[in-house]
Amino acid sequence: EVQLVESGGGLVQPGRSMKLSCAASGFTFNNYDMAWVCQAPKKGLEWVATISYDGSSTYYRDSVKGRFTISRDNAKSTLYLQMDSLRSEDTATYYCARQNYGPDYWGQGVMVTVSS
Amino acid sequence: DVVLTQTPVSLSVTLGDQASISCRSSQSLEYSDGYTYLEWYLQKPGQSPQLLIYEVSNRFSGVPDRFIGSGSGTDFTLKISRVEPEDLGVYYCFQATHDPYTFGAGTKLELK
Repeated sequence: EVQLVESGGGLVQPGRSMKLSCAASGFTFNNYDMAWVCQAPKKGLEWVATISYDGSSTYYRDSVKGRFTISRDNAKSTLYLQMDSLRSEDTATYYCARQNYGPDYWGQGVMVTVSS
Repeated sequence: DVVLTQTPVSLSVTLGDQASISCRSSQSLEYSDGYTYLEWYLQKPGQSPQLLIYEVSNRFSGVPDRFIGSGSGTDFTLKISRVEPEDLGVYYCFQATHDPYTFGAGTKLELK
């Protein structure tokens, strides 16, 4: 059974950093691209970033380019999202997802609140 | 960026009815490899999104055959025949053809 478990969310002040992790199991992690998708409170879904199966390629939405970094550790079957220079508009639930065309399996999500 | 326009914004149905949701793209979603990376998701209240349809018309594992995706180029449709209680929630289309990838704004399916 595919499982994706996010961790690392919480309350953070504007301008500070936070790192999310996503532990994957139930599939061969290094065979799949992975993605982060976010959802602001009461809003729709927004794709954030994707990383290729081997980590050689990364893609970001414009609003996070230069501030967020997606990475992975295939030996640990873990996906990461380093979020720097956080803004109030980054407040959202962040979902880790396996990307196989679009995202096919999703984690339960982790809440990030950016507020002073 | 590719804009996906979903209509209607909300849809009120009676159980057993058919429902139809449209997703129109600002650009063709056919990729250079010949595939069209247009997907449909359902987010039930309080849950993570779940994949229903990939590459326009392919049902994901375990998705009932009452969900039917169709379309090409810039115009796509998700039809749900015989709506059941577990089908209620917000439906999103998503494109992975063009970078940056984008979601539609969502269509809320609710009971009359």
